[in-house]
Amino acid sequence: GAVVSQHPSRVICKSGTSVKIECRSLDFQATTMFWYRQFPKQSLMLMATSNEGSKATYEQGVEKDKFLINHASLTLSTLTVTSAHPEDSSFYICSASRGPRYEQYFGPGTRLTVT
Amino acid sequence: AQKVTQAQTEISVVEKEDVTLDCVYETRDTTYYLFWYKQPPSGELVFLIRRNSFDEQNEISGRYSWNFQKSTSSFNFTITASQVVDSAVYFCALSEATGGGNKLTFGTGTQLKVEL
Repeated sequence: GAVVSQHPSRVICKSGTSVKIECRSLDFQATTMFWYRQFPKQSLMLMATSNEGSKATYEQGVEKDKFLINHASLTLSTLTVTSAHPEDSSFYICSASRGPRYEQYFGPGTRLTVT
Repeated sequence: AQKVTQAQTEISVVEKEDVTLDCVYETRDTTYYLFWYKQPPSGELVFLIRRNSFDEQNEISGRYSWNFQKSTSSFNFTITASQVVDSAVYFCALSEATGGGNKLTFGTGTQLKVEL
Protein backbone atom coordinates (compact mmCIF):
# COMPACT_ATOMS: atom_id res chain seq x y z
CA GLY A 1 0.00 0.00 0.00
CA ALA A 2 0.90 3.66 -0.22
CA VAL A 3 3.10 5.25 2.43
CA VAL A 4 2.24 8.39 4.35
CA SER A 5 4.59 9.88 6.92
CA GLN A 6 4.06 12.41 9.66
CA HIS A 7 6.59 14.53 11.46
CA PRO A 8 7.10 14.85 14.31
CA SER A 9 5.70 11.70 15.90
CA ARG A 10 5.59 13.38 19.29
CA VAL A 11 5.84 17.02 20.29
CA ILE A 12 5.60 18.84 23.59
CA CYS A 13 5.12 22.57 23.50
CA LYS A 14 4.33 25.32 25.96
CA SER A 15 0.96 26.98 26.15
CA GLY A 16 0.74 29.95 23.80
CA THR A 17 3.25 28.70 21.27
CA SER A 18 2.55 27.33 17.80
CA VAL A 19 3.47 23.92 16.48
CA LYS A 20 3.59 22.62 12.93
CA ILE A 21 2.88 19.04 11.91
CA GLU A 22 3.88 17.75 8.49
CA CYS A 23 2.14 15.07 6.49
CA ARG A 24 3.86 13.63 3.43
CA SER A 25 2.77 11.11 0.84
CA LEU A 26 5.99 9.31 -0.02
CA ASP A 27 5.13 7.32 -3.12
CA PHE A 28 2.09 8.91 -4.72
CA GLN A 29 0.62 12.31 -5.50
CA ALA A 30 -2.04 13.24 -3.00
CA THR A 31 -4.62 15.56 -4.47
CA THR A 32 -6.55 15.45 -1.22
CA MET A 33 -5.34 15.25 2.35
CA PHE A 34 -7.38 14.98 5.51
CA TRP A 35 -6.60 15.93 9.08
CA TYR A 36 -8.18 14.11 12.02
CA ARG A 37 -7.98 14.59 15.76
CA GLN A 38 -8.37 11.77 18.25
CA PHE A 39 -8.76 12.32 21.99
CA PRO A 40 -7.86 9.44 24.34
CA LYS A 41 -10.19 6.49 24.03
CA GLN A 42 -12.31 8.29 21.45
CA SER A 43 -12.89 8.03 17.75
CA LEU A 44 -11.23 9.93 14.97
CA MET A 45 -12.93 13.22 14.20
CA LEU A 46 -12.34 14.85 10.84
CA MET A 47 -11.04 18.38 11.26
CA ALA A 48 -10.56 19.48 7.68
CA THR A 49 -10.11 18.41 4.09
CA SER A 50 -7.43 20.03 1.99
CA ASN A 51 -7.05 19.92 -1.76
CA GLU A 52 -3.73 20.78 -3.31
CA GLY A 53 -3.53 24.42 -4.27
CA SER A 54 -6.76 25.51 -2.65
CA LYS A 55 -8.04 26.49 0.77
CA ALA A 56 -8.92 23.78 3.23
CA THR A 57 -12.53 22.96 4.04
CA TYR A 58 -13.08 22.82 7.79
CA GLU A 59 -15.64 20.75 9.62
CA GLN A 60 -18.22 22.48 11.76
CA GLY A 61 -16.79 23.57 15.08
CA VAL A 62 -13.15 23.56 13.99
CA GLU A 63 -11.53 26.99 14.17
CA LYS A 64 -9.74 27.66 10.91
CA ASP A 65 -7.67 30.48 12.42
CA LYS A 66 -6.40 28.18 15.12
CA PHE A 67 -5.71 25.14 12.96
CA LEU A 68 -3.96 26.43 9.86
CA ILE A 69 -3.74 23.94 7.04
CA ASN A 70 -1.52 24.34 3.99
CA HIS A 71 -1.43 21.92 1.09
CA ALA A 72 1.08 23.57 -1.16
CA SER A 73 2.25 20.52 -3.08
CA LEU A 74 0.96 17.12 -4.09
CA THR A 75 3.09 15.41 -1.49
CA LEU A 76 2.96 17.71 1.52
CA SER A 77 0.30 19.15 3.80
CA THR A 78 0.97 20.94 7.07
CA LEU A 79 -1.20 21.56 10.10
CA THR A 80 -0.17 24.42 12.36
CA VAL A 81 -1.77 24.64 15.77
CA THR A 82 -1.51 28.31 16.67
CA SER A 83 -1.42 29.61 20.22
CA ALA A 84 -1.75 26.09 21.54
CA HIS A 85 -3.47 25.43 24.86
CA PRO A 86 -3.60 22.28 27.00
CA GLU A 87 -7.03 21.40 25.59
CA ASP A 88 -5.39 21.09 22.16
CA SER A 89 -3.39 18.15 23.44
CA SER A 90 -4.44 15.24 21.28
CA PHE A 91 -3.38 12.68 18.69
CA TYR A 92 -3.42 14.23 15.22
CA ILE A 93 -3.62 11.90 12.23
CA CYS A 94 -3.41 12.82 8.59
CA SER A 95 -4.45 10.81 5.58
CA ALA A 96 -3.74 11.23 1.90
CA SER A 97 -5.69 10.30 -1.18
CA ARG A 98 -5.21 10.50 -4.91
CA GLY A 99 -8.60 12.13 -5.18
CA PRO A 100 -12.30 12.02 -4.26
CA ARG A 101 -12.85 8.51 -5.56
CA TYR A 102 -9.73 6.98 -4.10
CA GLU A 103 -8.88 5.34 -0.83
CA GLN A 104 -7.28 7.23 2.05
CA TYR A 105 -3.89 6.17 3.37
CA PHE A 106 -3.19 7.15 6.96
CA GLY A 107 -0.06 8.52 8.53
CA PRO A 108 1.27 7.17 11.85
CA GLY A 109 -0.05 10.14 13.82
CA THR A 110 1.47 12.92 15.91
CA ARG A 111 0.96 13.09 19.64
CA LEU A 112 0.79 16.70 20.76
CA THR A 113 1.10 17.62 24.42
CA VAL A 114 0.66 21.25 25.43
CA THR A 115 1.96 22.09 28.89
CA ALA B 1 -26.06 12.53 7.26
CA GLN B 2 -24.05 9.39 7.61
CA LYS B 3 -23.51 7.62 10.89
CA VAL B 4 -21.63 4.56 12.09
CA THR B 5 -22.49 2.77 15.33
CA GLN B 6 -20.25 0.33 17.12
CA ALA B 7 -22.28 -0.61 20.16
CA GLN B 8 -19.57 -2.72 21.77
CA THR B 9 -17.11 -0.43 23.51
CA GLU B 10 -14.94 -3.21 24.90
CA ILE B 11 -14.72 -6.96 24.40
CA SER B 12 -12.49 -9.37 26.30
CA VAL B 13 -11.85 -12.89 25.07
CA VAL B 14 -9.46 -15.68 25.80
CA GLU B 15 -6.96 -16.59 23.12
CA LYS B 16 -8.29 -18.97 20.46
CA GLU B 17 -11.87 -17.85 20.95
CA ASP B 18 -13.77 -16.44 18.00
CA VAL B 19 -15.03 -12.89 18.34
CA THR B 20 -17.39 -10.76 16.28
CA LEU B 21 -17.28 -6.98 16.25
CA ASP B 22 -20.53 -5.33 15.26
CA CYS B 23 -20.98 -2.33 12.98
CA VAL B 24 -24.24 -0.71 11.96
CA TYR B 25 -24.35 2.22 9.59
CA GLU B 26 -26.76 4.83 8.30
CA THR B 27 -26.59 6.58 4.97
CA ARG B 28 -28.96 8.00 2.38
CA ASP B 29 -26.61 7.21 -0.49
CA THR B 30 -27.07 4.12 -2.57
CA THR B 31 -23.38 4.06 -3.38
CA TYR B 32 -21.01 3.99 -0.44
CA TYR B 33 -17.96 2.25 0.95
CA LEU B 34 -17.46 0.51 4.26
CA PHE B 35 -14.12 0.04 5.97
CA TRP B 36 -12.55 -1.63 8.95
CA TYR B 37 -9.35 -0.35 10.53
CA LYS B 38 -7.22 -1.69 13.36
CA GLN B 39 -5.51 0.71 15.75
CA PRO B 40 -2.90 -0.99 17.97
CA PRO B 41 -1.47 0.81 21.02
CA SER B 42 1.12 2.51 18.80
CA GLY B 43 -1.74 4.55 17.35
CA GLU B 44 -1.16 3.92 13.67
CA LEU B 45 -4.29 2.96 11.75
CA VAL B 46 -4.01 -0.32 9.88
CA PHE B 47 -6.33 -0.77 6.92
CA LEU B 48 -8.15 -4.11 6.96
CA ILE B 49 -10.84 -4.01 4.31
CA ARG B 50 -12.90 -1.83 2.01
CA ARG B 51 -16.24 -2.99 0.68
CA ASN B 52 -18.50 -1.13 -1.77
CA SER B 53 -22.25 -1.09 -1.36
CA PHE B 54 -22.88 -3.20 -4.44
CA ASP B 55 -20.77 -6.08 -3.29
CA GLU B 56 -22.53 -8.08 -0.60
CA GLN B 57 -20.34 -11.12 -0.85
CA ASN B 58 -18.76 -12.08 2.41
CA GLU B 59 -15.01 -11.84 2.51
CA ILE B 60 -12.47 -14.02 4.25
CA SER B 61 -8.82 -13.20 4.71
CA GLY B 62 -6.97 -15.67 6.87
CA ARG B 63 -8.50 -15.52 10.35
CA TYR B 64 -10.54 -12.45 9.45
CA SER B 65 -13.97 -12.49 7.86
CA TRP B 66 -16.57 -9.86 7.16
CA ASN B 67 -20.33 -10.18 6.86
CA PHE B 68 -22.05 -7.38 4.91
CA GLN B 69 -25.84 -7.31 5.18
CA LYS B 70 -27.48 -4.38 3.39
CA SER B 71 -30.91 -5.44 4.67
CA THR B 72 -29.83 -4.71 8.24
CA SER B 73 -27.22 -2.04 7.37
CA SER B 74 -24.54 -4.03 9.10
CA PHE B 75 -20.94 -4.83 8.33
CA ASN B 76 -19.70 -7.15 11.04
CA PHE B 77 -16.14 -8.35 11.48
CA THR B 78 -15.19 -11.76 12.88
CA ILE B 79 -11.78 -12.87 14.08
CA THR B 80 -11.42 -16.62 14.26
CA ALA B 81 -9.08 -18.20 16.79
CA SER B 82 -8.11 -14.86 18.27
CA GLN B 83 -4.53 -14.16 19.29
CA VAL B 84 -2.99 -11.74 21.77
CA VAL B 85 -1.64 -9.71 18.84
CA ASP B 86 -5.23 -9.01 17.82
CA SER B 87 -5.62 -6.80 20.89
CA ALA B 88 -6.35 -3.32 19.57
CA VAL B 89 -9.12 -0.85 18.94
CA TYR B 90 -11.08 -1.64 15.80
CA PHE B 91 -12.92 1.06 13.89
CA CYS B 92 -15.64 0.67 11.33
CA ALA B 93 -16.01 3.58 8.90
CA LEU B 94 -18.28 4.73 6.09
CA SER B 95 -17.61 6.86 3.04
CA GLU B 96 -20.32 8.13 0.75
CA ALA B 97 -19.42 8.06 -2.92
CA THR B 98 -21.41 11.14 -3.83
CA GLY B 99 -21.38 14.56 -2.25
CA GLY B 100 -18.94 13.79 0.49
CA GLY B 101 -16.26 12.58 -1.87
CA ASN B 102 -14.26 10.07 0.10
CA LYS B 103 -14.75 11.70 3.49
CA LEU B 104 -14.76 9.03 6.19
CA THR B 105 -17.11 8.84 9.13
CA PHE B 106 -15.78 6.61 11.88
CA GLY B 107 -17.61 4.66 14.50
CA THR B 108 -16.59 5.04 18.13
CA GLY B 109 -14.45 1.94 18.03
CA THR B 110 -14.39 -1.38 19.87
CA GLN B 111 -11.51 -2.15 22.20
CA LEU B 112 -10.64 -5.83 21.84
CA LYS B 113 -8.56 -7.47 24.55
CA VAL B 114 -7.32 -10.97 23.92
CA GLU B 115 -5.88 -12.64 26.98
CA LEU B 116 -3.89 -15.81 27.43
